[in-house]
Amino acid sequence: KNQVEQSPQSLIILEGKNCTLQCNYTVSPFSNLRWYKQDTGRGPVSLTIMTFSENTKSNGRYTATLDADTKQSSLHITASQLSDSASYICVVSGGGGFKTIFGAGTRLFVKA
Amino acid sequence: EAQVTQNPRYLITVTGKKLTVTCSQNMNHEYMSWYRQDPGLGLRQIYYSMNVEVTDKGDVPEGYKVSRKEKRNFPLILESPSPNQTSLYFCASSPPSGAMYNEQFFGPGTRLTVL
Repeated sequence: KNQVEQSPQSLIILEGKNCTLQCNYTVSPFSNLRWYKQDTGRGPVSLTIMTFSENTKSNGRYTATLDADTKQSSLHITASQLSDSASYICVVSGGGGFKTIFGAGTRLFVKA
Repeated sequence: EAQVTQNPRYLITVTGKKLTVTCSQNMNHEYMSWYRQDPGLGLRQIYYSMNVEVTDKGDVPEGYKVSRKEKRNFPLILESPSPNQTSLYFCASSPPSGAMYNEQFFGPGTRLTVL
């Protein structure tokens, strides 16, 4: 079954600290993996996308990694800011046809 | 401004009363999709459309209908809403090659409550 699992479910960190969010998937065949940021009450916005041949992709303070062999991805946030408080969603495309499978997300709280 | 708009943003209704949630995009995107988001679950795809007059079921299509008569609009229809359709709904659109390789642009969401 095509699934995307994220951990932790939620995370609280202090402003200025780094954190890493995890994503494991079982989607096959694999096409690409995206990380989205979703602010409360708003639609998700894309942060990064990686295809099979890419290991890492950065977008400012956000760095995503992908290990296609172990089917794992991580999103690293450097020097967190209060505005980073949001849900981060891992999304994998593939599984035959035009399937897009969303993880349940990690809720990040950044405290001053 | 390039955007996806949804209306209404909030809706409270009663069981069995037909409703339509509209979705419109001004980016000339071929691909459009509807999702529902429930606590503890990821976004789940309801229906998607690769182009005008082409629609297909997602993972949770039961109780919903869609139409794609023109490229910019993709309304979601609940013929006989039930309380288990209480959820946060998102419409999204994407350029020609679809969600496989392109970013999906999401609308602001519609919070629906069915009593």
